Amino acid sequence: KQEVTQIPAALSVPEGENLVLNCSFTDSAIYNLQWFRQDPGKGLTSLLLIQSSQREQTSGRLNASLDKSSGRSTLYIAASQPGDSATYLCALLSSGTYKYIFGTGTRLKVLA
Amino acid sequence: KAGVTQTPRYLIKTRGQQVTLSCSPISGHRSVSWYQQTPGQGLQFLFEYFSETQRNKGNFPGRFSGRQFSNSRSEMNVSTLELGDSALYLCASSLTGGSPEQYFGPGTRLTVT
Repeated sequence: KQEVTQIPAALSVPEGENLVLNCSFTDSAIYNLQWFRQDPGKGLTSLLLIQSSQREQTSGRLNASLDKSSGRSTLYIAASQPGDSATYLCALLSSGTYKYIFGTGTRLKVLA
Repeated sequence: KAGVTQTPRYLIKTRGQQVTLSCSPISGHRSVSWYQQTPGQGLQFLFEYFSETQRNKGNFPGRFSGRQFSNSRSEMNVSTLELGDSALYLCASSLTGGSPEQYFGPGTRLTVT
């Protein structure tokens, strides 16, 4: 059974720091992995989508990598800003079940 | 291009009642998925509809049901509401086939008293 874990559960950093969020999964049979941000009480905003055949994707200050062999994806945020404060979720599309499975999320707070 | 819309945004119901939530996908998207989000369980997959057919289903009791119309709009119904059904219900739409990207709506906050 596919399990998706995100560590740390919460993170607080000063503005300007570069930071890395982690997403681990137990089964490498995936179609893709997607990173989202969620503001309190709101829906999810898609940040980056990495297909199974890709190693990384970049958008602005965000860079996501995927290593299926180690069951790991990382989201790198450069020069963090208070506006980056949110919960970050990873989700993967399982090849076997064709279902999206979400991680537990990392709650990020960037201090001004 | 309009995003995914969900109505209503907020809902308060009493135990034992039933509720219907609505989701309109992005134009051209034919797949609609529903999720339940609670503080304790996180985001859990309810079901997915494509071309008016349920294509995939999560591990929820039969009180949770859904349907999709020919214009790809989807509704989710919960009967005999329980306190534990209080949650944020999210809908996501995507293109079909392959390895699509999901786009989420703002959610419906359901409170059961």
